[in-house]
Formats: sequence, structure tokens, C-alpha cells
Amino acid sequence: SAVISQKPSRDICQRGTSLTIQCQVDSQVTMMFWYRQQPGQSLTLIATANQGSEATYESGFVIDKFPISRPNLTFSTLTVSNMSPEDSSIYLCSVEEAGTPCFGSGTRLTVV
Amino acid sequence: DQQVKQNSPSLSVQEGRISILNCDYTNSMFDYFLWYKKYPAEGPTFLISISSIKDKNEDGRFTVFLNKSAKHLSLHIVPSQPGDSAVYFCAASERGRGSTLGRLYFGRGTQLTVWP
Repeated sequence: SAVISQKPSRDICQRGTSLTIQCQVDSQVTMMFWYRQQPGQSLTLIATANQGSEATYESGFVIDKFPISRPNLTFSTLTVSNMSPEDSSIYLCSVEEAGTPCFGSGTRLTVV
Repeated sequence: DQQVKQNSPSLSVQEGRISILNCDYTNSMFDYFLWYKKYPAEGPTFLISISSIKDKNEDGRFTVFLNKSAKHLSLHIVPSQPGDSAVYFCAASERGRGSTLGRLYFGRGTQLTVWP
């Protein structure tokens, strides 16, 4: 299966700052997905990132808050901007391989 | 609104017995369902899936049953082992005729504990 590497694995950030999360895949993929899991909640899709075009955001998520880059077919970044404690979550990168979604190990973000 | 629900946040089972994890959904357009297992500090790992054209799929100790009329699916693990202790997520997709699953809708997960 695809190897998906996320950095950082965890971070503690001050409110009002921004954090950029990186996702690297060991194979070329068309779509990359960014999910969020808030404490005690399910995984929720933030946006779908296609190479060469703007990301498509789900309802409740906006580009100003979660800008995404997709410079090539193996890499993507998600930035959590102007963070507040409500942004404390696990952020996960996902790709589909052979029709099955696979996930990175996630980034555990705590905003203080 | 939660379209995929896992109403049991936790389940405790003795080693060797059957574990049954349940999942309900509300969207009749869902046609593909998946189960993931998640250990602490790791991402979800794919376990087993089922298409809506089937009512059962089996892979070793893991079997998923789908009841479309009840909008209910369940994951059976037989026999349960201590290494199965993890959080199990149910997920669903409106795959349609597409070749990709696209967005997944997840339940909140069930923490399974298998004790010796």
C-alpha cells in the first residue's frame, strides 16, 4: 500500500499563529484529501487537493482558514491559520490506492 | 448532521470470543462501506469493505454484514485477540459509477478492548 508521511507528527502552538502540515506520498496520486478529527468526534473531510488546480473545500471550511498547496503529484500541505483552541485536532492526509483510501499517521495539534 | 453513526463508544470482549461492532447510516445514496482500525498515534488502517450489491464480505477473522433495508452494517471479529484492541471506525461513500470513492463519511468510532 502507499506510504504516506506526515510532518510534524504533533505540535503545540500558540493561539493566533499558523501551522503548516506536510504530506508526502511515495507514489503519484491524482487526489489528496485532508481530514480533521476533533476530540471525541468522527473524521471530517476538510478539502480535496488536486494537482494543478485549487482545492475543493467542504461546507464549513474555507481557504483563508485552511489554505492548501498541491505543487506536484506526491506532495501537499495544509496550513491551519490564525489558530484558536477549537482547532486542536488530529489532521490526517489521505490518498486512494487501488480504490481504497489510505491514511497518514496524522498530525496531533494542540492550540494553547 | 451525522450520517454515519456508531452508537457504542466502547466494547469489551474476552479473548477468543466474538466481537461485534455496529454501524448505522442515514443516507440511502451510500453504496460502499469500509471499516478502519486505529491504534493510538497512528492513522486509520483499512480493514475490510463491502459494496451495497453484497450483504456479506469475509476476510480471515473479519466479516462485515450489510443490511440495506435497515441501513445497518456490522463487523464481526472471530476469534478476538488482544492485538485487536483499537478504535474501529465505520465509513461510507457515495461511490456511484465513479472509479474513486472520493469523500468518506465516518462514524465516531468504537473502542474495542480484548482482554485475556
